[in-house]
Amino acid sequence: DTGVSQNPRHKITKRGQNVTFRCDPISEHNRLYWYRQTLGQGPEFLTYFQNEAQLEKSRLLSDRFSAERPKGSFSTLEIQRTEQGDSAMYLCASSLFGEQYFGPGTRLTVT
Amino acid sequence: AQTVTQSQPEMSVQEAETVTLSCTYDTSESDYYLFWYKQPPSRQMILVIRQEAYKQQNATENRFSVNFQKAAKSFSLKISDSQLGDAAMYFCAYYMEYGNKLVFGAGTILRVKS
Repeated sequence: DTGVSQNPRHKITKRGQNVTFRCDPISEHNRLYWYRQTLGQGPEFLTYFQNEAQLEKSRLLSDRFSAERPKGSFSTLEIQRTEQGDSAMYLCASSLFGEQYFGPGTRLTVT
Repeated sequence: AQTVTQSQPEMSVQEAETVTLSCTYDTSESDYYLFWYKQPPSRQMILVIRQEAYKQQNATENRFSVNFQKAAKSFSLKISDSQLGDAAMYFCAYYMEYGNKLVFGAGTILRVKS
């Protein structure tokens, strides 16, 4: 399978805990994006990497969120001190030009 | 800031019939892309069709076609010969040339009746 993969697919955590998600993009894609999607809504942009450089961050990305893409390959998104409002689907996408290809997402539930 | 509006929260179509999903957007840019993505229940987002703003010809992919009206900033999706597998949430999305993100509409749920 050469598509975008994300792990884990589901994560249940207690409020206040830290969580980390991983995204493996399509191998030749140099651009990687993170989005957040709540139930019944369209995805909202969180952050964007070109190779290993994080070039843009949304105001949605509070100080508790951090993303990395070491060596320009896979990426991680960490949420510290999770809150119930962080419950959502976290989507990763990659691209070379124009259209973005999405992974299956990580569904986070904060209890 | 660019915005994308999908005014139909939900649509229904009979199997084998044709349905059109509406999308309007707001931008001051001249070079951009528009996309329709499909998200089946509990499954990942799939690209359905893309349109470059500089192209006057409407994009077509098998049973899927768009009606792109640049001056009106309208980008509708027509699904012909609807199939049960077309049932999903459909998102219209905008991408600016040299931009860094997709801007999505709120989505339209498409139900297909047998």
